[in-house]
Amino acid sequence: SAVISQKPSRDICQRGTSLTIQCQVDSQVTMMFWYRQQPGQSLTLIATANQGSEATYESGFVIDKFPISRPNLTFSTLTVSNMSPEDSSIYLCSAGQGPDTEAFFGQGTRLTVV
Amino acid sequence: AQKITQTQPGMFVQEKEAVTLDCTYDTSDPSYGLFWYKQPSSGEMIFLIYQGSYDQQNATEGRYSLNFQKARKSANLVISASQLGDSAMYFCAMREAPSGGYQKVTFGTGTKLQVIP
Repeated sequence: SAVISQKPSRDICQRGTSLTIQCQVDSQVTMMFWYRQQPGQSLTLIATANQGSEATYESGFVIDKFPISRPNLTFSTLTVSNMSPEDSSIYLCSAGQGPDTEAFFGQGTRLTVV
Repeated sequence: AQKITQTQPGMFVQEKEAVTLDCTYDTSDPSYGLFWYKQPSSGEMIFLIYQGSYDQQNATEGRYSLNFQKARKSANLVISASQLGDSAMYFCAMREAPSGGYQKVTFGTGTKLQVIP
C-alpha cells in the first residue's frame, strides 16, 4: 500500500490569498486525485492530476481557481487561489495504481478562510 | 441521478454486536470497483475494503466484510464485533473506468456510526 504525506495539515488564511497544498507518495503511482470535503459533506472530486499534462477538472472546478501541478509520478500540488470563506473545507489528496486497486488518501488539509 | 446511495445518515450499534451499513450504486460500466472508507473525527480517510466488479467472492478484511450483490447493485459493509473505536463516518465509493481509461471515484453521502458501550 502507498503512504501519502500531505501538508500542511491545517491552515488559517486571509481571504484573497492563495494556499498551495503538497502531496507526496512514497512510491510511483499511476493516478493522483484531489478532493474537497465541505463541512458535514461528502467528498467531491476536484480534478485528476496527470503527470506531464494539464489536470482534468470536474464540472464546477476551474484551473484558474484550483491550479494543479504533477511534475512526476510521486508528487502533486493543489493551489487554492483568491480564497474566500466558502473555500473553507478539508482538501484531500488520493493516489492509486489502477482500476483494480484501492485508492489511498493523505491525512487531509483543513483550510479555514477568514 | 446519484451514483452512490447511502440511505442511513446515522446508525447506532451496541459494542460487540455486528452492524450492516447499506450502499447501492448505479453504473453502466462492466468494470468498476467498490470501496469503503472510514473517516474519524480527525478527518483522515482510512481505506477499509475493496471489491472488484468481477470478483466472485465477497471481500473480507479482518472484522470488515463486503456483502456484494451485483444483480441488486448493492455493496453493504458488515462490521462484526463492533468496538468503540469504530465510531466514525463511513463512506461507500465507486471507481468507474469508462473507455478512454479515465478513472473517476464517486463517494456516497456517508453514514455516521456510533458504537454504544
